[in-house]
Amino acid sequence: GESVGLHLPTLSVQEGDNSIINCAYSNSASDYFIWYKQESGKGPQFIIDIRSNMDKRQGQRVTVLLNKTVKHLSLQIAATQPGDSAVYFCAENSGGYQKVTFGIGTKLQVIP
Amino acid sequence: ETGVTQTPRHLVMGMTNKKSLKCEQHLGHNAMYWYKQSAKKPLELMFVYSLEERVENNSVPSRFSPECPNSSHLFLHLHTLQPEDSALYLCASSQDYNGHGRYGYTFGSGTRLTVV
Repeated sequence: GESVGLHLPTLSVQEGDNSIINCAYSNSASDYFIWYKQESGKGPQFIIDIRSNMDKRQGQRVTVLLNKTVKHLSLQIAATQPGDSAVYFCAENSGGYQKVTFGIGTKLQVIP
Repeated sequence: ETGVTQTPRHLVMGMTNKKSLKCEQHLGHNAMYWYKQSAKKPLELMFVYSLEERVENNSVPSRFSPECPNSSHLFLHLHTLQPEDSALYLCASSQDYNGHGRYGYTFGSGTRLTVV
């Protein structure tokens, strides 16, 4: 398996339940945020993004919430499926490629 | 398929070897990146190319040497690496190099490098 997934914070969820993955970001000047999903043996894949002028954005089965007051970002996955098992990490951007910061990630394990 | 292809998928090399990693994108993106992904660490930016010109060398040791012959191809030449260089090396592209454009970066699947 991918060593990137070892020793990460892990969230175990029963299939069909909702998942909430959290991310604390560091830069109050960050104005754009992205959630990535990284499956075993693959590179990170864009899931959903949100700009700082929004508090919430919904996609297909996923919702991102942004709380700028406490610099917190969360990813909610509805009706979690086995195919959702992966490492999820957030990225914040305060302008330019030099200011893109990635989180370490959370490993989501879906229990059938 | 993500649109960014990396080869080889796995590479084992000795500390005295010379090898190259290859990345190819056909998304029409103007910026390409090399990132290093190690266990328990965030992605580390190594190099950025915009329209075939290097715009960033993020304090990377000279044993890593990038090359961008055109806007679709990116190489990472490796020479006399150390065991601590073992990691997953990810190539990414974006519309331009001003950070995340819409939909962020498109990553390849990476090359799992082991230095022995």
